Amino acid sequence: DAGITQSPRHKVTETGTPVTLRCHQTENHRYMYWYRQDPGHGLRLIHYSYGVKDTDKGEVSDGYSVSRSKTEDFLLTLESATSSQTSVYFCAISESKGYGAQHFGDGTRLSIL
Amino acid sequence: GESVGLHLPTLSVQEGDNSIINCAYSNSASDYFIWYKQESGKGPQFIIDIRSNMDKRQGQRVTVLLNKTVKHLSLQIAATQPGDSAVYFCAENIDKVDYKLSFGAGTTVTVRA
Repeated sequence: DAGITQSPRHKVTETGTPVTLRCHQTENHRYMYWYRQDPGHGLRLIHYSYGVKDTDKGEVSDGYSVSRSKTEDFLLTLESATSSQTSVYFCAISESKGYGAQHFGDGTRLSIL
Repeated sequence: GESVGLHLPTLSVQEGDNSIINCAYSNSASDYFIWYKQESGKGPQFIIDIRSNMDKRQGQRVTVLLNKTVKHLSLQIAATQPGDSAVYFCAENIDKVDYKLSFGAGTTVTVRA
């Protein structure tokens, strides 16, 4: 398995609170991604990173921000959590940009009450 | 927008039989496709990939077929085993510049003993 650790694995929080999810990799891959998975929608890209301090928005980026200060860590922040952000969040990494699989962590289940 | 979709949301297969999982894609410019397997509580796991310059690619017990004429992708699993029970996703690279994957909603495969 790819060396990807997501933390926390589960979190319950209240509407309006800030939340930060962490993705840590030991593969030294340059490319990292955050997805959310919801029933009926499949996996949708939130933000991605092509290197330290190089990030960009995906298709569902509203309400989320990211940071990457080190190659191995990619943080996803919900500035003010809303119930619509209740989801399972996955981090993925890839070695190359283009032809090459993205490998996923085991996800963070986030519930916002 | 364009997206990847699967023909059937569920598939029930007898142990030992071959499984065929189908996927239709709409972006004729997509040049790279991946099949993933997701078990309950886990992240998507890479199974096999194929580039658009190929029609067929084989792995261990799995074969991916690509028909660009009708924009159809399939995953064949030989001698299906109980451990093959999972949700299967196809993904296509919809952005050749930034390498973004678009995922279908998935097919749930259940293997009957």
